[in-house]
Amino acid sequence: SQTIHQWPATLVQPVGSPLSLECTVEGTSNPNLYWYRQAAGRGLQLLFYSVGIGQISSEVPQNLSASRPQDRQFILSSKKLLLSDSGFYLCAWSRVARTDTQYFGPGTRLTVL
Amino acid sequence: QKEVEQNSGPLSVPEGAIASLNCTYSDRGSQSFFWYRQYSGKSPELIMSIYSNGDKEDGRFTAQLNKASQYVSLLIRDSQPSDSATYLCAVNGYDMRFGAGTRLTVKP
Repeated sequence: SQTIHQWPATLVQPVGSPLSLECTVEGTSNPNLYWYRQAAGRGLQLLFYSVGIGQISSEVPQNLSASRPQDRQFILSSKKLLLSDSGFYLCAWSRVARTDTQYFGPGTRLTVL
Repeated sequence: QKEVEQNSGPLSVPEGAIASLNCTYSDRGSQSFFWYRQYSGKSPELIMSIYSNGDKEDGRFTAQLNKASQYVSLLIRDSQPSDSATYLCAVNGYDMRFGAGTRLTVKP
């Protein structure tokens, strides 16, 4: 069976500090990978998706970036965090295309102070 | 117009009742439809998917799809307090779009 991991689970960071969130998937090969952000009481906002190693598509202009150094690893980064970056960050995977069922990791709760 | 719309709630039903959650979408080309449950502080988990017009049942859950009306719903029979959560509707056309969710409270 497939498993998706995210870490850390929670993070409190000062404004202007860097960020690195990691997501890994087990039990499948060449998954499509996604980063979402969910602000308090809001819906899911797609930030990035990747169909393969080194292939990243950005959905929303922002101070965040993503990388996929390995087939089942997806990293979300920032050089300088803003207050507005606070939220619940979710990694998801799907087997095939963007139209396929997506399965979510446990998420990272980020608070920027 | 939002691409996927849900009533934010909260929707409150007594234990044992039927909870009805509704979702409308704007992309007529959408082919796949999903319901996710999200407990407070947790990530969304898939409950059901539906691809064809009509009803699809899975235990206490029934998903209903009407593509002509661009409408998808989720019925929860014999609601339990453990069903209290936010339910997200997701619609797939070119890509996956999520509604903001409906918060459901089941009162004992």
